[in-house]
Amino acid sequence: GQQVMQIPQYQHVQEGEDFTTYCNSSTTLSNIQWYKQRPGGHPVFLIQLVKSGEVKKQKRLTFQFGEAKKNSSLHITATQTTDVGTYFCAGYWGTSYGKLTFGQGTILTVHP
Amino acid sequence: SQTIHQWPATLVQPVGSPLSLECTVEGTSNPNLYWYRQAAGRGLQLLFYSVGIGQISSEVPQNLSASRPQDRQFILSSKKLLLSDSGFYLCAWSVGIQAFFGQGTRLTVV
Repeated sequence: GQQVMQIPQYQHVQEGEDFTTYCNSSTTLSNIQWYKQRPGGHPVFLIQLVKSGEVKKQKRLTFQFGEAKKNSSLHITATQTTDVGTYFCAGYWGTSYGKLTFGQGTILTVHP
Repeated sequence: SQTIHQWPATLVQPVGSPLSLECTVEGTSNPNLYWYRQAAGRGLQLLFYSVGIGQISSEVPQNLSASRPQDRQFILSSKKLLLSDSGFYLCAWSVGIQAFFGQGTRLTVV
């Protein structure tokens, strides 16, 4: 079936360091989305990438969609303690009535 | 505006007991509805999704079932809970592609 592989599973950083999480699909995606889940909370939508090679920024967060639309990354510059949580990518292949397939998530901890 | 209600927030149930979790959506029509489960420190596992009343797709074989008796109501059920059913259950809806999640139910089976 269609899957999205996300790495790493865990990432521990010192405050101020950068952080990157990667997602990969074996087949071409229609779009990819990113969500953040704070500890004890529920996933919240961050952004959607649709175009090949697309790059979007939200303050210290940079989202990229690969040229082949099979991979994506989320990069956080100069992490802060407020960045802690689990970051999920979710792939959509344009079928199944909008059903998303989530990656396993990357749990980010930031040490002050 | 659209909102999603999921209850209860926490639940402790004995093994072998039944389960009923309810999710309702307001402010939208004919949403796609989803039930996900999340084990502690893990990713999101899609359990069921529904594109309309009475239409349920099951993603994985398991001890759970889902029903959609009304357009904006999605129910997750079990006749007899197992220890392995413990986890964080999330209801979500989408119209189009983006998913919106409920607050979740933390289920502990003891």
